[in-house]
Amino acid sequence: GDSVTQMEGPVTLSEEAFLTINCTYTATGYPSLFWYVQYPGEGLQLLLKATKADDKGSNKGFEATYRKETTSFHLEKGSVQVSDSAVYFCALSRQGGSEKLVFGKGTKLTVNP
Amino acid sequence: AAGVIQSPRHLIKEKRETATLKCYPIPRHDTVYWYQQGPGQDPQFLISFYEKMQSDKGSIPDRFSAQQFSDYHSELNMSSLELGDSALYFCASRREGGMNTEAFFGQGTRLTVV
Repeated sequence: GDSVTQMEGPVTLSEEAFLTINCTYTATGYPSLFWYVQYPGEGLQLLLKATKADDKGSNKGFEATYRKETTSFHLEKGSVQVSDSAVYFCALSRQGGSEKLVFGKGTKLTVNP
Repeated sequence: AAGVIQSPRHLIKEKRETATLKCYPIPRHDTVYWYQQGPGQDPQFLISFYEKMQSDKGSIPDRFSAQQFSDYHSELNMSSLELGDSALYFCASRREGGMNTEAFFGQGTRLTVV
């Protein structure tokens, strides 16, 4: 079945450091790929998405590129802030995003001042 | 902008009791998804509805049932509650065929079974 594997956490960085959270997927066809963020005590918020190969999703300084050849969708940010501290989930959905989301295990990011 | 509304936000129940969680999707969204997130876990898909019909089913226990009503709100009914049912339950909605196809999540209902 479909699955998402993402980098185990927790990840601790200093403010203004570079962030990479790795995500790879297994799925038939061409799934849509997502990054969701969950702040403490909050629900899931869509951070960015990509629906086809070589698409780059970006939002709030975060970026991820849909790489079909490596089945990856790594999340990057050039300079993290304390406010970026949260849990990040990589996810996929088939049929253009109309099917259920399959999530990775999540990566907890802590950014220290 | 209107978001997905879930109620209640917090719920404490005893073992073997029943619980009903409610989800009010974003206006004009016709698809609802339910997810269960255990402590420190990733969200697991339970069930989904499209136009008031069940569209997909995941790892939902037989003790749980759900439906989507004519006004598109959905309810998740949980009976014979067990300690292991303690989790954060998310509802998400989307509009089938809309330009933005992603699902929008509610704040979740935190269920504690004691």
